[in-house]
Amino acid sequence: EADIYQTPRYLVIGTGKKITLECSQTMGHDKMYWYQQDPGMELHLIHYSYGVNSTEKGDLSSESTVSRIRTEHFPLTLESARPSHTSQYLCASGGGILTDTQYFGPGTRLTVL
Amino acid sequence: AQTVTQSQPEMSVQEAETVTLSCTYDTSENNYYLFWYKQPPSRQMILVIRQEAYKQQNATENRFSVNFQKAAKSFSLKISDSQLGDTAMYFCAFMKEDNTDKLIFGTGTRLQVFP
Repeated sequence: EADIYQTPRYLVIGTGKKITLECSQTMGHDKMYWYQQDPGMELHLIHYSYGVNSTEKGDLSSESTVSRIRTEHFPLTLESARPSHTSQYLCASGGGILTDTQYFGPGTRLTVL
Repeated sequence: AQTVTQSQPEMSVQEAETVTLSCTYDTSENNYYLFWYKQPPSRQMILVIRQEAYKQQNATENRFSVNFQKAAKSFSLKISDSQLGDTAMYFCAFMKEDNTDKLIFGTGTRLQVFP
């Protein structure tokens, strides 16, 4: 079944650690996105990609970086985690038959101590 | 810049009743898309309904329908015959018709359905 996956679902980590949040999709979509969402708040786009080797920064400035080496994979990396990075990170993909519609993964809830 | 406003932080409704969630947006674009997404507690965000701005007919998906008023820049969601499983955060979102496909989200409305 076509879907979008994120791992880990929950991550508690100490300040200064390097972390990578994984996102993969089996939907065959070219476009992928990362959103940041604080509890009970709206989503803000932090990164997006139109395809392999394409990455762009979103509307909300973020210290994280992304890469898109394979169509189905769009990991997000924080080189040195800080408490201000505590948030939920949602990955999405789009560009299918309904080209304007995005489909979301389950999210990673990150807590930096 | 586009903005999306959801003026109801929280709503509640009794099971089997009807509830309407409000959304207004601001844009100078003529062609765009509007969406309602549902985010149940600790679960995945899913698309509820979408509307293309050039279509005058209001979108409908089973118990979910929208009232799209382009001139008023209003896009409300009506949930008929509310069910306990409708309890969730509901986000209204806007997308310009360009290659960026960026979604602009409202702040959400928390809907609680009571038995």
